[in-house]
Amino acid sequence: AQSVTQLGSHVSVSEGALVLLRCNYSSSVPPYLFWYVQYPNQGLQLLLKYTSAATLVKGINGFEAEFKKSETSFHLTKPSAHMSDAAEYFCAVSESGANSKLTFGKGITLSVRP
Amino acid sequence: DSGVTQTPKHLITATGQRVTLRCSPRSGDLSVYWYQQSLDQGLQFLIQYYNGEERAKGNILERFSAQQFPDLHSELNLSSLELGDSALYFCASSVGVSKNIQYFGAGTRLSVL
Repeated sequence: AQSVTQLGSHVSVSEGALVLLRCNYSSSVPPYLFWYVQYPNQGLQLLLKYTSAATLVKGINGFEAEFKKSETSFHLTKPSAHMSDAAEYFCAVSESGANSKLTFGKGITLSVRP
Repeated sequence: DSGVTQTPKHLITATGQRVTLRCSPRSGDLSVYWYQQSLDQGLQFLIQYYNGEERAKGNILERFSAQQFPDLHSELNLSSLELGDSALYFCASSVGVSKNIQYFGAGTRLSVL
């Protein structure tokens, strides 16, 4: 069975500071990994995805994530936070194969201080 | 705009009632997924349809059912509603069955009073 752990429910950074949101996964088969962002009263928007190609994945809005198999991690980073990055971020895993349902972590709320 | 349309945006109803949530996938997408987002359970997969056929089932209650019609839109039916069914229900669509990105709609917020 697949699962995702996102440690902590809230991260606060200053504008211009590094953003680091952690995600660890568990999967019995090679995983596909995703980061989604949810702005208030909106749906989920895909930030980036890992599907067994390059381990360093670049996404939209300056975000990137690195797949580390040895650590079963897929942490999300952004060098310099912007006020508009304040949102809830979800890490999700999908097992390669016929069933592509997403299993989500509990989400992390990112606050950006001026 | 993801291209996935969900109606209605908000739904307020009473316990014991039945409601229908509707989802229109992106043009060309054959797979539709339903997810429930609640404060205590987080985001949970309910059910997937591909080209009209049920493909996968998750933590969907027996009181809930879904279908995908020939025009590929999908409906999620929730019956005998309980207070605990209050949640945000998302629909997502993708081109195929697997390995594809899922695009999410804005969700239907259900409040059961």
